[in-house]
Amino acid sequence: DSGVTQTPKHLITATGQRVTLRCSPRSGDLSVYWYQQSLDQGLQFLIQYYNGEERAKGNILERFSAQQFPDLHSELNLSSLELGDSALYFCASSPGAYSTNEKLFFGSGTQLSVL
Amino acid sequence: GESVGLHLPTLSVQEGDNSIINCAYSNSASDYFIWYKQESGKGPQFIIDIRSNMDKRQGQRVTVLLNKTVKHLSLQIAATQPGDSAVYFCAENWEGTGNQFYFGTGTSLTVIP
Repeated sequence: DSGVTQTPKHLITATGQRVTLRCSPRSGDLSVYWYQQSLDQGLQFLIQYYNGEERAKGNILERFSAQQFPDLHSELNLSSLELGDSALYFCASSPGAYSTNEKLFFGSGTQLSVL
Repeated sequence: GESVGLHLPTLSVQEGDNSIINCAYSNSASDYFIWYKQESGKGPQFIIDIRSNMDKRQGQRVTVLLNKTVKHLSLQIAATQPGDSAVYFCAENWEGTGNQFYFGTGTSLTVIP
């Protein structure tokens, strides 16, 4: 168990809908990272938050947004969903702001299916 | 068009044999590397890491080798066990990436009992 908690484990929804994925980092970790894992793209970095502030941005679509709350949990919001958004979404956490110095610990992921 | 999934390299080994999983990384400026193991239905699990100022690091039953000249990383698993069956990813990171790790496509390891 990595100590990173993600909910829900599975999510099935329809095109055009909006969903929210939730992540609680390991105790003491201030950074939360969101990754998308799809069959044709592998693991892709979406966004990082550190202590409530956006720290780095990767290949995140404009339809997607995230935030980190004062209690350090994070939510990833996906809107106007398309079939191609079906994927596994992982959250990872680390103690500090700079991943070049730290390993990431991943949650078990949320499997999103858009029908 | 046709949807094509990632064609993961695959490796099959007999239980008890040693496994070597290879990874070619993309950026000569990468200074931190991690090997992750992902079992079906689970998130990537940290195995071992290495920094660019080292060329070898050992853990429990695992060894990572780094060859910066050819941008190559390998993971050696000693006495492979059925529980080692998983997809293995290498990830690289360098200052200036915006704190993101770049993951390889992964290698699927199957251990034959």
